[in-house]
Amino acid sequence: RKEVEQDPGPFNVPEGATVAFNCTYSNSASQSFFWYRQDCRKEPKLLMSVYSSGNEDGRFTAQLNRASQYISLLIRDSKLSDSATYLCVVNGPGGGADGLTFGKGTHLIIQP
Amino acid sequence: DAGVTQSPTHLIKTRGQHVTLRCSPISGHKSVSWYQQVLGQGPQFIFQYYEKEERGRGNFPDRFSARQFPNYSSELNVNALLLGDSALYLCASSPPTGELYYGYTFGSGTRLTVV
Repeated sequence: RKEVEQDPGPFNVPEGATVAFNCTYSNSASQSFFWYRQDCRKEPKLLMSVYSSGNEDGRFTAQLNRASQYISLLIRDSKLSDSATYLCVVNGPGGGADGLTFGKGTHLIIQP
Repeated sequence: DAGVTQSPTHLIKTRGQHVTLRCSPISGHKSVSWYQQVLGQGPQFIFQYYEKEERGRGNFPDRFSARQFPNYSSELNVNALLLGDSALYLCASSPPTGELYYGYTFGSGTRLTVV
């Protein structure tokens, strides 16, 4: 079983729509969780951290379900500029010593 | 403030050669991590260094080595290059506290092509 699993997509979504991504992680002792965004041939950039209580940043909402080992990202009122690959990322129980574990990413295409 | 800087940006090497990649973390960050990203995959953890000590290592062969200098910059060395080492090599830095919750900042990477 892969450590962090995501649907690779692509998700083709019309501009203005709401889109949701999910990922699952295998290590129940994982301590912290993130969504990163990666544009083609660029470095990953932190989109948001994910907390059990859920957190929101503008049009983006992230949620963590520790019992199900499941992380979600919701994008409302999608923009053309949201087109990118979204990486689900987990930090292991050893913190930095374990490194970040990345999913393969979900490719999102916002269509005009 | 300068972000994480990596050099070179692109590199072409021949199988069997050796390569050295360089990274300077964000000012004030003492931790540097290295990741390899092959096309179509998420980045994979290679090493983390903190205060010049290796703190963690991913599942990479001994051909991969790294070190961190007193100014917290870092080098990643790869010996006996294989075609499969062709990838984007990313360096990330994180502050001394809060790394678990604030995430890492990545440099723009070094794109290595082995021919």
